[in-house]
Amino acid sequence: QSVLTQPPSVSAAPGQKVTISCSGSSSNIGNNYVSWYQQLPGTAPKLLIYDSNKRPSGIPDRFSGSKSGTSATLGITGLQTGDEADYYCGTLDSRLGVVVFGGGTKLTVL
Amino acid sequence: QVQLQESGPGVVKPSETLSLTCTVSGDSLNSGSYLWTWIRRPPGRGLEWIGNIFYTGSSNYNPSLKSRVTISVDTSQRQFSLNLGSVTAADTAFYYCARGRSGGDFDFWGQGTLVTVSS
Repeated sequence: QSVLTQPPSVSAAPGQKVTISCSGSSSNIGNNYVSWYQQLPGTAPKLLIYDSNKRPSGIPDRFSGSKSGTSATLGITGLQTGDEADYYCGTLDSRLGVVVFGGGTKLTVL
Repeated sequence: QVQLQESGPGVVKPSETLSLTCTVSGDSLNSGSYLWTWIRRPPGRGLEWIGNIFYTGSSNYNPSLKSRVTISVDTSQRQFSLNLGSVTAADTAFYYCARGRSGGDFDFWGQGTLVTVSS
């Protein structure tokens, strides 16, 4: 059971928008930055969002992050078939003293 | 460009020690405030943070694994290593090394290596 809660799967049509939620508590999301990762099949996770809403160089602005209270959200607009992947949220947990992740959300672009 | 590459056995027998090494190129392990990290993903499950090490040798471990884990660093070889003792089938996973930053995110990852615990 993961410390952060994500929906197991989401789906949307090409060109549409999708959001992926990540729910935690005051000891993790509530008081720390959130990061988001994309894992394409057979590859390593790739950083998409850091510090809750910043994009690393090279990540298109179709990807966005936000945080409110003890929850965070990843938004993806203009969906492409190449966006089909597993998406993970992560953050520090001050109480546990570790980095914690969500269980992952599988995105299907129909 | 920073690159990380894991190496080590793909199969480990139960009760033995899993040993992996991560070789870093394009960066010096002591060039900044980075935390050199091990993360794993059991098949069909989510990511699990194992622990990290600073170039000085100061390390932090996941409490759930702390009694079995040691992470070490060799800055001259640009490598850091993971030892996980007394392994069971539950330790079968893809193991990744990554560069961690102070905000808790990981900006560069190795490609990952599958380690299977099996007799």
